[in-house]
Amino acid sequence: QLVLTQSPSASASLGASVKLTCTLSSGHSTFGIAWHQQQPEKGPRYLMKLNSDGSHSKGDGIPDRFSGSTSGAERYLTISSLQSEDEADYYCQTWGTGTVVFGGGTKLTVL
Amino acid sequence: EVQLVESGGGLVQPGGSLRLSCSASGFTFSAYALHWVRQAPGKGLEYVSAISSNGGSTYYADSVKGKFTISRDNSMNTLYLQMGSLRTEDTAVYYCVKGERGYNYGGAFEIWGQGTMVTVSS
Repeated sequence: QLVLTQSPSASASLGASVKLTCTLSSGHSTFGIAWHQQQPEKGPRYLMKLNSDGSHSKGDGIPDRFSGSTSGAERYLTISSLQSEDEADYYCQTWGTGTVVFGGGTKLTVL
Repeated sequence: EVQLVESGGGLVQPGGSLRLSCSASGFTFSAYALHWVRQAPGKGLEYVSAISSNGGSTYYADSVKGKFTISRDNSMNTLYLQMGSLRTEDTAVYYCVKGERGYNYGGAFEIWGQGTMVTVSS
């Protein structure tokens, strides 16, 4: 079964970097994913698509501070030079035959 | 500017029906699969349904199969979600989403609408 697992919460200081993790279920380590950001009281915004080889393509207007990487079944979103507006929920998304799956989301707090 | 604007949400009684619409602009509507995703209050994102670019294929989450029907009008650049047999657990913000080019299903969800709230309550 295709499942994405995310830690429920993360925190980092203003100006620092943070690395969020999304883990694909067993047998799905070659799947690509997408990362989405949801700021408080707003709809989600597409950040990037991240392939299994670590290559990624970002959405329009997404700052260079956001980057993606891969290791095995893990997909990462790194945010550098954290700003207050980065405080948000971050969701990963993937897809398979006849299904689309979201991770449970990580709530990022900027201290 | 690529834009998706949902409408049609509101308060409906359990067992009732509602039709959501999503008006699209700024891209070649007929070239992309489209999706509905919902988010219950305080919860995460839940996939609901998809329709291929020409409308020939549709997909539904098990939670809505048999209750909801997705459709599109490529001449009007509009996506629809007909919702029936509504229950309190269908209460959520419903988002219209544009899929990635080249996918009849799945792919990265590149553009999100602002959402429309559906409340199922007596």
